[in-house]
Amino acid sequence: EDQVTQSPEALRLQEGESSSLNCSYTVSGLRGLFWYRQDPGKGPEFLFTLYSAGEEKEKERLKATLTKKESFLHITAPKPEDSATYLCAVRKGAQKLVFGQGTRLTINP
Amino acid sequence: EPEVTQTPSHQVTQMGQEVILRCVPISNHLYFYWYRQILGQKVEFLVSFYNNEISEKSEIFDDQFSVERPDGSNFTLKIRSTKLEDSAMYFCASTGGSSTDTQYFGPGTRLTVL
Repeated sequence: EDQVTQSPEALRLQEGESSSLNCSYTVSGLRGLFWYRQDPGKGPEFLFTLYSAGEEKEKERLKATLTKKESFLHITAPKPEDSATYLCAVRKGAQKLVFGQGTRLTINP
Repeated sequence: EPEVTQTPSHQVTQMGQEVILRCVPISNHLYFYWYRQILGQKVEFLVSFYNNEISEKSEIFDDQFSVERPDGSNFTLKIRSTKLEDSAMYFCASTGGSSTDTQYFGPGTRLTVL
């Protein structure tokens, strides 16, 4: 069965305290892994797409990496405005995205 | 920057009523999607739409659901006879010239069925 599992479910950090979020997947026919940010009551906001093991993408304080079984979203020196739920999704087949349950990140000032 | 828009932002309806949720995808995008997120749960795929027909649908997308692109800009999701368990956030998404491109999501419509 196709599964996307994110850990931890929730993470609380102090401002400036770096950490990593994990997304592990078991999907046949993977055609891309996506990271989105979701603020409360809002739609997912696109962050990164990764297609192959070893690939890395970076944007401001965020860096996403991909292996054959998992992806990491590294956050370096986070700020309070980085507080959000971070969603991982894999494309299954042609179009459908399969989402994980998300990691709720809180950055305390 | 182009974005997906959705209306209304919040819809309250009585059980058994029909609702239509509206989306305006990013112009020049060709692939359109609906997802839903029940409170506290994962975002779930409902349906994908390309070239005026459904290209894929999930088990959730049963006969009470339908989608339509009534004109060159709108994309709608109709729920014929709403149930309490249809209460959720419904997100529209669109993708550009290739189905393998990134899906961009709208802000969502919160549907509350009483």
